[in-house]
Amino acid sequence: AQKITQTQPGMFVQEKEAVTLDCTYDTSDQSYGLFWYKQPSSGEMIFLIYQGSYDEQNATEGRYSLNFQKARKSANLVISASQLGDSAMYFCAMERRESNYQLIWGAGTKLIIKP
Amino acid sequence: GAVVSQHPSWVICKSGTSVKIECRSLDFQATTMFWYRQFPKQSLMLMATSNEGSKATYEQGVEKDKFLINHASLTLSTLTVTSAHPEDSSFYICSARGGGSSYNEQFFGPGTRLTVL
Repeated sequence: AQKITQTQPGMFVQEKEAVTLDCTYDTSDQSYGLFWYKQPSSGEMIFLIYQGSYDEQNATEGRYSLNFQKARKSANLVISASQLGDSAMYFCAMERRESNYQLIWGAGTKLIIKP
Repeated sequence: GAVVSQHPSWVICKSGTSVKIECRSLDFQATTMFWYRQFPKQSLMLMATSNEGSKATYEQGVEKDKFLINHASLTLSTLTVTSAHPEDSSFYICSARGGGSSYNEQFFGPGTRLTVL
C-alpha cells in the first residue's frame, strides 16, 4: 500500500533554531517523487522542495533541505534558522508517477515558531 | 511558477442548492487536474482526477453524482457540489498539471471554502 507517515502532529521551536520534520513513506513503485508543502492559515499550498527517487544528492532550496534516506524510506525536511513566518502546517507528499501523478499526502505537522 | 486560480474563494449556500467551483490554469495548459477536499486540521483528501476531454476518475467513497467534475478545456475544470448539505462544508482545493514529465508542473489553486447552512 502507498502511504506517507508524519509522526509529529505538532512542534514548538525557538526562532533561529533548526527544525527537522519527519516523513516516512511506503511504496512499491520503482519511480516516485517526494514533496514538501507548507500551508499557512490562509490555506494556500506552497511548494517547498522536491526529491526524485533516483536523485542521489539531497535536495536543497534556500533554508530548506531534504534528508533523503531511500533504504529507510524517509524524506525528512530540515529548516535552518527558523523564522516566525515559518509557523504553518507542513505536509509531506509522494507523487505516484505510475498512477496519473497523483499525490499521496501525510497527515501533516503543525509547526509553531516561538519568538 | 505557473498560476492556478479558483473561483469563488469562499461561498455560503443554503442546504439543497448546488454550488459550482471553477479551477483555471492561467498561463499553461493543464492536461490533468486534481480535486481535493480538506477538513479542518486534516490533510488533503483526493476526490478525483480529471483529464481534459474525458470523464473524471473518482476515488473510492466519493459520490460521482454528488460531486460533478467537468474538464472541458485545457485551462478549466469545474467541480459542482449538487444538493449541498452541511456535511459538504469543507475547503476544496484544485491542482493542475501540465503535459510534461517535470514535477514542476503541478500547481495548486488557493482553495474554495464552502459553508452549507
